[in-house]
Amino acid sequence: AQSVTQLDSHVSVSEGTPVLLRCNYSSSYSPSLFWYVQHPNKGLQLLLKYTSAATLVKGINGFEAEFKKSETSFHLTKPSAHMSDAAEYFCVVTGANNLFFGTGTRLTVIP
Amino acid sequence: DGGITQSPKYLFRKEGQNVTLSCEQNLNHDAMYWYRQDPGQGLRLIYYSQIVNDFQKGDIAEGYSVSREKKESFPLTVTSAQKNPTAFYLCASSIIGGRVFSNQPQHFGDGTRLSIL
Repeated sequence: AQSVTQLDSHVSVSEGTPVLLRCNYSSSYSPSLFWYVQHPNKGLQLLLKYTSAATLVKGINGFEAEFKKSETSFHLTKPSAHMSDAAEYFCVVTGANNLFFGTGTRLTVIP
Repeated sequence: DGGITQSPKYLFRKEGQNVTLSCEQNLNHDAMYWYRQDPGQGLRLIYYSQIVNDFQKGDIAEGYSVSREKKESFPLTVTSAQKNPTAFYLCASSIIGGRVFSNQPQHFGDGTRLSIL
């Protein structure tokens, strides 16, 4: 069965410092994994996806994520946070008949 | 610009009333989806459709209905049977990459926020 756990409901960083948003997944086969970002009262926007090619995936706005099968993790990182990065982030894993969404991590960026 | 348009942005439902949320896409995607988002929770699938005139129930279909008469349109009706309709509703579409929930990312509209009067 598939599931996804976002380990932090809220992360707070200072502008210009690194961002780490953690995601662990469970899957009975090789899944596809996604990170989406949601700004207030908006839909979800795709940041990046992993589909069994390179384990280090680069996305938009300077974000990247590394797929680690041994740790069943897909953490999202960015070297330097910007004020515009403040939003809700969702880790998503594919299942046979559904997508499994994490409960989200709210990122706050302190000026 | 291609995308997904949801309307209205805000909607209020009276007791015993059915309301319909609109979703239109011009991305030429075959698959369309409806999700419900509640605070502190991930998105939950209500219904999805792979092709015109066909749709399948998701995890929380009770109290909702859909139609897919055109490829571009996938309206969602929240019926009076849905006792807790207050939520943010998101429509999405995607290419079907072999199967519906594949490695093809979904594209989302900006949502409709439904509240009870």
